[in-house]
Amino acid sequence: NAGVMQNPRHLVRRRGQEARLRCSPMKGHSHVYWYRQLPEEGLKFMVYLQKENIIDESGMPKERFSAEFPKEGPSILRIQQVVRGDSAAYFCASSPPGRSTDTQYFGPGTRLTVL
Amino acid sequence: GESVGLHLPTLSVQEGDNSIINCAYSNSASDYFIWYKQESGKGPQFIIDIRSNMDKRQGQRVTVLLNKTVKHLSLQIAATQPGDSAVYFCAESHTGGFKTIFGAGTRLFVKA
Repeated sequence: NAGVMQNPRHLVRRRGQEARLRCSPMKGHSHVYWYRQLPEEGLKFMVYLQKENIIDESGMPKERFSAEFPKEGPSILRIQQVVRGDSAAYFCASSPPGRSTDTQYFGPGTRLTVL
Repeated sequence: GESVGLHLPTLSVQEGDNSIINCAYSNSASDYFIWYKQESGKGPQFIIDIRSNMDKRQGQRVTVLLNKTVKHLSLQIAATQPGDSAVYFCAESHTGGFKTIFGAGTRLFVKA
């Protein structure tokens, strides 16, 4: 049973470039969540998606950030024109169909460094 | 706004002792609470959860206590081992909501 997979594990970008973070949920899971974590801090909710739908993006910055979870393939968190403040660990979690409050299982994260 | 916070940012215990990590939450509508363990360089790992219709739940070496009156949650780890060293997060959500709100975390050090 593969867990939640994220790639790349580490991503280095220069200011102004684009960052694409990918997340494959656990098999059978249809809910995907993205979180951001700064060093020595907790996880901040960004967005909650189901297949082809964004359910809640209230934690997502209004500009430069977007997320999708297509019918086929992984969920993508896209950050355009990255700035140094975007440097953080980005975690994806998934949960099975049903209640959105069911336990979320986390991937290993993508550590983004913006130079 | 809504928040989940922790009383102690760091906790140091002797191997073999019991550990208690505390958490306060402010949203009275929250009805589902989870404890996660995060080791360095890894994603959070589910430890145990509890719904608001319970006040205690036990797992293997871990117990979660929920006091809704004072909006307090605690994680007890029995016979703490070096492998328990990590950051522990409490988190809350509520039925019909979509967000899971995480606290800032408590770092647990286990001394051999």
